[in-house]
Amino acid sequence: ETGVTQTPRHLVMGMTNKKSLKCEQHLGHNAMYWYKQSAKKPLELMFVYSLEERVENNSVPSRFSPECPNSSHLFLHLHTLQPEDSALYLCASSQGTGGIGYTFGSGTRLTVV
Amino acid sequence: AQSVSQHNHHVILSEAASLELGCNYSYGGTVNLFWYVQYPGQHLQLLLKYFSGDPLVKGIKGFEAEFIKSKFSFNLRKPSVQWSDTAEYFCAAATDSWGKFQFGAGTQVVVTP
Repeated sequence: ETGVTQTPRHLVMGMTNKKSLKCEQHLGHNAMYWYKQSAKKPLELMFVYSLEERVENNSVPSRFSPECPNSSHLFLHLHTLQPEDSALYLCASSQGTGGIGYTFGSGTRLTVV
Repeated sequence: AQSVSQHNHHVILSEAASLELGCNYSYGGTVNLFWYVQYPGQHLQLLLKYFSGDPLVKGIKGFEAEFIKSKFSFNLRKPSVQWSDTAEYFCAAATDSWGKFQFGAGTQVVVTP
């Protein structure tokens, strides 16, 4: 375990379903991130939260909705996804900016059918 | 635009061969540089990082990287690879701005016995 825990590890959902991905960190970090990892493409930063406030949203479609209730938990709510949204979704946390202490979770493998 | 580029998408080599993976970044100002490794089915792990000081950085598992500022490069090297080094390798760069932690597309390395 890395100190950043993601659940579930695997998720298969239909295009009309609503599901949520969960990320939890026990490192005392003050920033959390969602990334999308697709085959043959660079890691795409989706959302950044600092001290529970969203500080960056990289033009992510509204069918992805993040939530950060406290500095240890981060959610990604999913609804009416498309097959092209199938990917590995990674959560990360860090202490401040500059990549210091950047730690990744193991990811959730999402398949949209 | 800020970017990180990795020169090779796939590398195949035999055990005991030397490995060098190229990485170039395009950032203004101070930048922190990283190499991550992702073994099959596992999370992203930090191999090494450069923040300042000696441009030759040593990391885990016998890897090292050299920061050459004039070339905007941060190439990863290992003198003698093992079969267990089969993995995907990601170069990344971060500044002191939120969310500016950008990854290259990754290089898939396959080491044959």
